[in-house]
Amino acid sequence: QVTLRESGPALVKPTQTLTLTCTFSGFSLSTSGMCVSWIRQPPGKALEWLARIDWDDDKYYRTSLKTRLTISKDTSKNQVVLTMTKMDPVDTATYYCARIISSSGHIDYWGQGTLVTVSS
Amino acid sequence: DIQMTQSPSSVSASVGDRVTITCRASQGISSWLAWYQQKPGKAPNLLIYTASSLQSGVPSRFSGSGSGTDFTLTISSLQPEDFATYYCQQSNSFPYTFGQGTKLEIK
Repeated sequence: QVTLRESGPALVKPTQTLTLTCTFSGFSLSTSGMCVSWIRQPPGKALEWLARIDWDDDKYYRTSLKTRLTISKDTSKNQVVLTMTKMDPVDTATYYCARIISSSGHIDYWGQGTLVTVSS
Repeated sequence: DIQMTQSPSSVSASVGDRVTITCRASQGISSWLAWYQQKPGKAPNLLIYTASSLQSGVPSRFSGSGSGTDFTLTISSLQPEDFATYYCQQSNSFPYTFGQGTKLEIK
């Protein structure tokens, strides 16, 4: 059974760096074709794809946030970490991690999401 | 980046109705398109992948079609549990992008 769970601070101040951790089970990121992505959703708004990391450590980022995002993995811990620098109130959103199969790029499993509020 | 445009943004329908939602890509994406359903306060749920493949466990009243730039999601006979927001997503090229969503409401 595949599960993913996001963890991190619920509140960050403007200009701070956000660090979110995705802990997953039921698959391995050392298996060919496995990938994990981060997606966010501002309150009442649409989904925004942020980043993806692959089993072979390839990484991809949202164009508009490329300079602020870093995605990494710890295969031994079954974890993927997303850092986002220079947080701003417009970054307030529910952040989801999700599994992707590289051959098709669709998201077949999602975490429950974690709401991050940016406010002083 | 590839822009994904859904229409309509919202639609009202009744139980038993047939509903079609459209997603248009700003450039060709072959069949690299997925559809998701999202209910309030919940994570999205995969319905369709590679434009027309039904995800395991999803009712057969859901179907997808299209290729290139124009795609549709059809619900053949609306059930009460289908009232939700639907998103398309392209995976043809990075960065992946989602449509703005279509909210399906009860008439």
